[in-house]
Amino acid sequence: AQKITQTQPGMFVQEKEAVTLDCTYDTSDPSYGLFWYKQPSSGEMIFLIYQGSYDQQNATEGRYSLNFQKARKSANLVISASQLGDSAMYFCAMREEQTGANNLFFGTGTRLTVIP
Amino acid sequence: DVKVTQSSRYLVKRTGEKVFLECVQDMDHENMFWYRQDPGLGLRLIYFSYDVKMKEKGDIPEGYSVSREKKERFSLILESASTNQTSMYLCASRLLQRQGYSNQPQHFGDGTRLSIL
Repeated sequence: AQKITQTQPGMFVQEKEAVTLDCTYDTSDPSYGLFWYKQPSSGEMIFLIYQGSYDQQNATEGRYSLNFQKARKSANLVISASQLGDSAMYFCAMREEQTGANNLFFGTGTRLTVIP
Repeated sequence: DVKVTQSSRYLVKRTGEKVFLECVQDMDHENMFWYRQDPGLGLRLIYFSYDVKMKEKGDIPEGYSVSREKKERFSLILESASTNQTSMYLCASRLLQRQGYSNQPQHFGDGTRLSIL
């Protein structure tokens, strides 16, 4: 079974609008961390935001926020006030603390295109 | 800022060649990782290293080996390159967090686009 599922291969959003990128995960580990990365066309992977499984509040970093719904095992990324520079691939990833605390499991990514 | 440097952005090699991909990080991180990225498959872990001279197989280690003789350097080796190893290769490093949750992210290099002809 896939540990991370991103069901949106591609998304479009109008500049200055908000957009939500979906991510669901599958784990039996009670302790885990969820990460979002951005990959522009140049190729580098840029860390955006982190959410721990025991965090009480949703994580926020500037225009990025994470809509964490633990019971539904979802960790959607919300980008507010989209900018042209947000056009990129976005990857959701998970680390299981007890069973493989060092490596990340990645989803297949969502390509976001911001329309002027 | 963490800097992870991969020796080549683009590399073209021939089938059967032995290929070395080099990765250097400047933040004294214990953990280092090699992934390959293919369209529609996301990133898949090839090997990772806990520390110097320590390594563990990831999900797709076949056809690859690694070397970590110094803390800052982690090398990926394609023993005998084949066309199905044409891919984007990404190196990452991470600080080992000894207490609390390991919320330290992995920091990535710019990637190496490897073509095997």
